[in-house]
Amino acid sequence: QQPVQSPQAVILREGEDAVINCSSSKALYSVHWYRQKHGEAPVFLMILLKGGEQKGHEKISASFNEKKQQSSLYLTASQLSYSGTYFCGTVITGTASKLTFGTGTRLQVTL
Amino acid sequence: DAGITQSPRYKITETGRQVTLMCHQTWSHSYMFWYRQDLGHGLRLIYYSAAADITDKGEVPDGYVVSRSKTENFPLTLESATRSQTSVYFCASSESGFNQPQHFGDGTRLSIL
Repeated sequence: QQPVQSPQAVILREGEDAVINCSSSKALYSVHWYRQKHGEAPVFLMILLKGGEQKGHEKISASFNEKKQQSSLYLTASQLSYSGTYFCGTVITGTASKLTFGTGTRLQVTL
Repeated sequence: DAGITQSPRYKITETGRQVTLMCHQTWSHSYMFWYRQDLGHGLRLIYYSAAADITDKGEVPDGYVVSRSKTENFPLTLESATRSQTSVYFCASSESGFNQPQHFGDGTRLSIL
């Protein structure tokens, strides 16, 4: 039930855009996004609930396509501070469902 | 300051020993979680707790024991440590469940020799 993230790693130049995808084989109730910098704790970015809403914070936004059981994280005009590993987590539809994290996408932004 | 703190930050121990990792939060969050993070596996849930005296297994509970006698504390015990339990352990809390933001502690890096 672990979601699949792609790509596994991406290198960008500052100012470029990136998309990170998260997909599941099960019907999803919610998708969660976290960022973890090297040697630090994961930090919450956003939650998308069933309903297909798109959320955003400054230049980082995400969408949730519940029909396809997929979510995408969009990083626009990337900054050096965006570097880190991005994890999606999913809660499948149904009772007693827990949050399950993907294996992460490593993003490196260079000058 | 309010937050979630883990101790110790680093721990080295030997196989067969018992070790307890501590987690304390000051938000009065109902839910608390323990994860382990290993290369290639992401974050895997060990145990979680919905309230004091209510705990449940996660994805990888074998070899671990938890308790939660007070809302703010959620210790994790490895009763007889094995090398496969060498990992980085994160404690987290959320206000009311899995569909709320989780706030993570700084982690405990545990090495078992």
